[in-house]
Amino acid sequence: EAQVTQNPRYLITVTGKKLTVTCSQNMNHEYMSWYRQDPGLGLRQIYYSMNVEVTDKGDVPEGYKVSRKEKRNFPLILESPSPNQTSLYFCASSLSGALYGYTFGSGTRLTVV
Amino acid sequence: GQQVMQIPQYQHVQEGEDFTTYCNSSTTLSNIQWYKQRPGGHPVFLIQLVKSGEVKKQKRLTFQFGEAKKNSSLHITATQTTDVGTYFCVSHTGNQFYFGTGTSLTVIP
Repeated sequence: EAQVTQNPRYLITVTGKKLTVTCSQNMNHEYMSWYRQDPGLGLRQIYYSMNVEVTDKGDVPEGYKVSRKEKRNFPLILESPSPNQTSLYFCASSLSGALYGYTFGSGTRLTVV
Repeated sequence: GQQVMQIPQYQHVQEGEDFTTYCNSSTTLSNIQWYKQRPGGHPVFLIQLVKSGEVKKQKRLTFQFGEAKKNSSLHITATQTTDVGTYFCVSHTGNQFYFGTGTSLTVIP
């Protein structure tokens, strides 16, 4: 089944403790992206990647890192999480950039205390 | 960045009534995408509009792209409880995407 898989689904962590949210897609998509969704603010793009080893900042990249060492994986790294990073995070992929629709993962609800 | 404004923010309709959400941009859009997110779920791609004045239909859903490519609308005919969710329009600049704030649809049985 074609899908985007995110893990974990839920995570509670403490301020400053590094964490990684994994994202994997099995559709051979070139484009992958991370979003955060907050009430009243909608979905905002954090980082995106056009292909392996190519990543770019989105609207809200501060406090996040990403890497794209393989086409299928696009992990989101929070080196030193803070409470304002408490949010619902979505990974998404598409065949190639803006001309195609996204397939979204099921989301990761992160709470930083 | 390129922003799209969506109205209304919330809409409550009686089952069987029609529903429309509007998306407006101050700049000309290359294309526009629409997504639906059910409560507790993730966004699901519905459609992409590319051409000026384009109209596409999916069963009870009708999507339109304005002649000037600055606005778009999604119209649902005879809503059903399965239509409940938040509908987003999405624009882009290069390969950076911008989601509208969404319209949350509640359907009263």
